[in-house]
Amino acid sequence: EAGVAQSPRYKIIEKRQSVAFWCNPISGHATLYWYQQILGQGPKLLIQFQNNGVVDDSQLPKDRFSAERLKGVDSTLKIQPAKLEDSAVYLCASSRMGGPRETQYFGPGTRLLVL
Amino acid sequence: GEDVEQSLFLSVREGDSSVINCTYTDSSSTYLYWYKQEPGAGLQLLTYIFSNMDMKQDQRLTVLLNKKDKHLSLRIADTQTGDSAIYFCAESPLPGNQGGKLIFGQGTELSVKP
Repeated sequence: EAGVAQSPRYKIIEKRQSVAFWCNPISGHATLYWYQQILGQGPKLLIQFQNNGVVDDSQLPKDRFSAERLKGVDSTLKIQPAKLEDSAVYLCASSRMGGPRETQYFGPGTRLLVL
Repeated sequence: GEDVEQSLFLSVREGDSSVINCTYTDSSSTYLYWYKQEPGAGLQLLTYIFSNMDMKQDQRLTVLLNKKDKHLSLRIADTQTGDSAIYFCAESPLPGNQGGKLIFGQGTELSVKP
């Protein structure tokens, strides 16, 4: 079974530029999560989708971050415009269904550096 | 509030036992987890414990939960150099968390010396 795929693996941009990350979850997984992991910290949930609907986006900085999951499969996370403090690893995870009993499987992450 | 705390570093010798500790604040959490992160890789679920248990053993891993003190620990027996990684404790708080949102600690970097 293929794991969660993410691209690109690395991205370097200047502040005020835009950037987009892509995630392909495990086939058949209804729930998709985007986490932000700042260096030296644990991951923090940004947004959670159940199929193509948003379950939780309370921690997403909506003035600059947006995410979508068209057709309930792949997802993109966008930052526009980027700030220095957005430098982090962006992790995508998926689970079969939502809920605390479901194992979340993580992708390798996209490492973003904002200069 | 939701907060998970871990010590930042642990160094052990190969063959010794490692104990990684974690404290959490949300007493409503039903599940508590341990994840492992190797350099350049995503997080891998190691084990989890349901809140009505106080111990769970899985091969070299033993999880202890003290719900009264909100303290969780992960013991790795016979630690190997391949166990060197960052270990994250996480909780799944309630109420309202039907989606399974995880709250992570800041991670403990385990260094295993030969």
